[in-house]
Amino acid sequence: DVKVTQSSRYLVKRTGEKVFLECVQDMDHENMFWYRQDPGLGLRLIYFSYDVKMKEKGDIPEGYSVSREKKERFSLILESASTNQTSMYLCASSLIGIPSNQPQHFGDGTRLSIL
Amino acid sequence: AQSVAQPEDQVNVAEGNPLTVKCTYSVSGNPYLFWYVQYPNRGLQFLLKYITGDNLVKGSYGFEAEFNKSQTSFHLKKPSALVSDSALYFCAVSPGLTGNTPLVFGKGTRLSVIA
Repeated sequence: DVKVTQSSRYLVKRTGEKVFLECVQDMDHENMFWYRQDPGLGLRLIYFSYDVKMKEKGDIPEGYSVSREKKERFSLILESASTNQTSMYLCASSLIGIPSNQPQHFGDGTRLSIL
Repeated sequence: AQSVAQPEDQVNVAEGNPLTVKCTYSVSGNPYLFWYVQYPNRGLQFLLKYITGDNLVKGSYGFEAEFNKSQTSFHLKKPSALVSDSALYFCAVSPGLTGNTPLVFGKGTRLSVIA
């Protein structure tokens, strides 16, 4: 089974801090994704990456950056955390698939609170 | 642009009754469609996908989904609901163009199965 591991289940940080969320997958997937999930808004894509050192902006990239130095690891960075970034963050990975018909596999999420 | 609509925020059904969770989509070209389930404090789990072929797709936990091209729908169904099916369900579509195109998710439907 594919395993996507997010480093923290719960995290509390203060406004202005630089926050790192880590995600590791063990199935050699090319694609990795970061979403945030908020009630009533569903999943919103922040960034995704289809290869090492490659990144693409999603729907809501403002205030975030990402890093993918190794194929199995995709990090989400909140440059200067703000209270409106309090949310559930979900990481996912998938095979690249041509065409794009591969399911995404998700981690269990990090519930981040910014005080 | 591709989009997914889940017209019901909440679906309530009695245990043992059939359930349907609705999904409609808009995408150019051939769609690749997915259903995911999310249990409390967990990430999304893949249930099933439609790529091509038979319009009735069978997936995990006794769920199935019916692809209807003329109505651009992909409704999730189960003949007999269980209390343990209570969860948040997401429909997703891939535009199917290239290997690194992210899925587009609906906002989710909360299913409540009442004993």
